[in-house]
Amino acid sequence: DARVTQTPRHKVTEMGQEVTMRCQPILGHNTVFWYRQTMMQGLELLAYFRNRAPLDDSGMPKDRFSAEMPDATLATLKIQPSEPRDSAVYFCASGLRTSGEGTQYFGPGTRLTVL
Amino acid sequence: ILNVEQSPQSLHVQEGDSTNFTCSFPSSNFYALHWYRWETAKSPEALFVMTLNGDEKKKGRISATLNTKEGYSYLYIKGSQPEDSATYLCAPRDSNYQLIWGAGTKLIIKP
Repeated sequence: DARVTQTPRHKVTEMGQEVTMRCQPILGHNTVFWYRQTMMQGLELLAYFRNRAPLDDSGMPKDRFSAEMPDATLATLKIQPSEPRDSAVYFCASGLRTSGEGTQYFGPGTRLTVL
Repeated sequence: ILNVEQSPQSLHVQEGDSTNFTCSFPSSNFYALHWYRWETAKSPEALFVMTLNGDEKKKGRISATLNTKEGYSYLYIKGSQPEDSATYLCAPRDSNYQLIWGAGTKLIIKP
């Protein structure tokens, strides 16, 4: 049963600390997305990769957020330094561009709390 | 940039009743329309993807229709059950295979 996995599932940290969230996309998927669940409960796109190359990170605060794909099986989202307003659930999703008309499969999310 | 609107924003329905809600999107440069179901404290799950005008998809008591000429899709739930309570998101696909998410319709089924 192929699934997107995310670690950690929960993270509590203090303001100013670095936070790293990890995502393992479904094997064979070539697109990876990072989303944040907003206060209005919507999905805010932070970054988008295809074949490990960043295609769109315009939704990400550049001064403190960074997203990378060191290899095809790992995507990371870092926040440094973290702030209380970063508290949210962060979702990773993966897909295969050539199938499913862009269907995205979501991981369980990382719930981040910054004190 | 695609403008996606979903209505209503929230909906309370009595258990056993049927209901429907709407997703509106620009009719030009249409590629595909996705519906997702998002339960509280879980992650969004794909329900349907539709590509052709007049498409209808069905999964159990949930069905969806698509009108690409006028730019809307309806999601129908027949005989609502408590487990149908969730936020339903629609998302058209753009030319870069990104999904442009609506804000969702939050459905609450009252027992």
